[in-house]
Parts: sequence; C-alpha cells; structure tokens
Amino acid sequence: GEDVEQSLFLSVREGDSSVINCTYTDSSSTYLYWYKQEPGAGLQLLTYIFSNMDMKQDQRLTVLLNKKDKHLSLRIADTQTGDSAIYFCAEFDTGGNQFYFGTGTSLTVIP
Amino acid sequence: GAVVSQHPSRVICKSGTSVKIECRSLDFQATTMFWYRQFPKKSLMLMATSNEGSKATYEQGVEKDKFLINHASLTLSTLTVTSAHPEDSSFYICSARWDRGLNTEAFFGQGTRLTVV
Repeated sequence: GEDVEQSLFLSVREGDSSVINCTYTDSSSTYLYWYKQEPGAGLQLLTYIFSNMDMKQDQRLTVLLNKKDKHLSLRIADTQTGDSAIYFCAEFDTGGNQFYFGTGTSLTVIP
Repeated sequence: GAVVSQHPSRVICKSGTSVKIECRSLDFQATTMFWYRQFPKKSLMLMATSNEGSKATYEQGVEKDKFLINHASLTLSTLTVTSAHPEDSSFYICSARWDRGLNTEAFFGQGTRLTVV
C-alpha cells in the first residue's frame, strides 16, 4: 500500500497557528483530505484539495499542497482549545478505490 | 454536509455471540462503503471495501467469514462480527464514498465501540 506519514504530536498555545504536515508516496492521488477525530468519535471531514490545486482556504483552515515534494499541510489559524484532536491526512487512490490514511497527528492546544 | 449514520455507537456482547453494525448514508447514495478498525491511539486499518450488490473485497488478513459485510442498497452497509471474541474488541468505523460530479468525498460514521466480554 501507499505510505502516508505524519508527525505524531503537536502542541501549540491558544491563539497561535498550528501547522500539521503530511507526506505521501502515491503520485497518482487525485484528492487529498484532512480529517479530525475527537476522542471516542468518528472522523469528521475538514477539507480536501484536488491534486491540481496548490492551496485551498476555508475560514481558519488553509491547505497547502506541494506535488513535487508530495507534501501536504494543514494550517489552523487562531487555534482554539476545541481544536485539540487527532488530525488525519488521507489520499485517495482513484484507480484502486481506496483511501490511505496517515498515522494521525495529536494536536494539543494549551490555554 | 453529508451525514453517515453508524449504529450502534457502543455495544457490549458476550463471547461467542454475533454483533451487527449498520452504516447508512442519510442524504446521498454511496458508491462504495468502507469498513475500518481502529486500535487505541492508532490510525485506521481498512478491513474491507463494499459496493452495492456485490461481494465485499477484504484486505489481507481479515477473515471474511468472521466479519460479514452486506451492502444491501446504495445507502446501507452492515458489518456483522460473528462469534465475537475479546480480541475483536475495538473501535469500528464505516465510511461512505460520495461521487459528486468531479469531486469525490468520503464521510465517516460516528464509530462503534465494541467490547466483547
């Protein structure tokens, strides 16, 4: 399968920006996603980016995609305590009809 | 946004019994539904992929006779854990693929915490 890598932990102070990084290996991915998982809950789709885009902004969220380096990032502006959760990046292999998930980054927001 | 409903959210069952988990896409027709298992503090592990009206495709190492998947309609897939054992205790999550024009999105259910005692 494909490899999707993320750093495991990130701590930021409330009000600061958070940047969660992700690297992937499948160059044929069409879509790349960011999901949020709160304790004991399912995954919530935050945003996604089409592979022919470099950037997508949605309110406090900014997704940057560097296709050359196969690097995806999620920036959360003005991070709040409610943003504390695990964030998963995922790539979708349209040919194989399968999602590949990263290991998840646990974001802790310090008041 | 689109909603995927997964039921039940928690279930405790005795060893040797079977448990059925339902996954419904409430406001869209799902091309494909996926079943995942998540261990504590770990990422999602794909168990199987199911398309409506056809047999599920299981990932290597997943016993198809133990984890029965039925995809009866474009809005409903079920996972039945048969003859459950304590090692089957886990968090199970379904997701549904929605193809909207050129966009493909996947929405997840709330997850089911299965505890086998």
